[in-house]
Amino acid sequence: RKEVEQDPGPFNVPEGATVAFNCTYSNSASQSFFWYRQDCRKEPKLLMSVYSSGNEDGRFTAQLNRASQYISLLIRDSKLSDSATYLCAAHFGNEKLTFGTGTRLTIIP
Amino acid sequence: EPEVTQTPSHQVTQMGQEVILRCVPISNHLYFYWYRQILGQKVEFLVSFYNNEISEKSEIFDDQFSVERPDGSNFTLKIRSTKLEDSAMYFCASRPGPTEQFFGPGTRLTVL
Repeated sequence: RKEVEQDPGPFNVPEGATVAFNCTYSNSASQSFFWYRQDCRKEPKLLMSVYSSGNEDGRFTAQLNRASQYISLLIRDSKLSDSATYLCAAHFGNEKLTFGTGTRLTIIP
Repeated sequence: EPEVTQTPSHQVTQMGQEVILRCVPISNHLYFYWYRQILGQKVEFLVSFYNNEISEKSEIFDDQFSVERPDGSNFTLKIRSTKLEDSAMYFCASRPGPTEQFFGPGTRLTVL
């Protein structure tokens, strides 16, 4: 089983809609989780860290479910500029980040 | 806002040649990383570097790869004898402590 798994999509969503992605992880010792956004041929850009209590930043909400070993990202009122690939990443008790394959999102006008 | 910078943005080389990819991490950061991303695939960890030594490396990071922090600002990745399969985007990242990693814009390496 892959350490971090994501549905690759693509998700094609109309502008203004709400969209949610999940990411599952296999190592229960995982300590930290993150969502990164990656535009085509660009670097991953940190979107938000994911805390056990959940966290919200504007239209974005991230949740962590340790019992079921998944994290989620919710985007409300989606905008055209939200079109990108969203990468889930985890620390598994060491320094490196382990990434999922990413979920591609396209917002349709 | 401080950023990680990388040079060159694109490097084309012949198979078997040596390449050096350069990174300038954010100035107060202590932990440095190299990742790579083959086109269409996920971002993969190569190596982490702390306190002037490698702290962890992946299976990809074999004897053909080396890293160096030659001065107080630069962090380099050297590939001694490039192979076709080394063609990828190479990202440098840094972090100040036990927090998030910040990535540079990447170097696109093309091996012909």
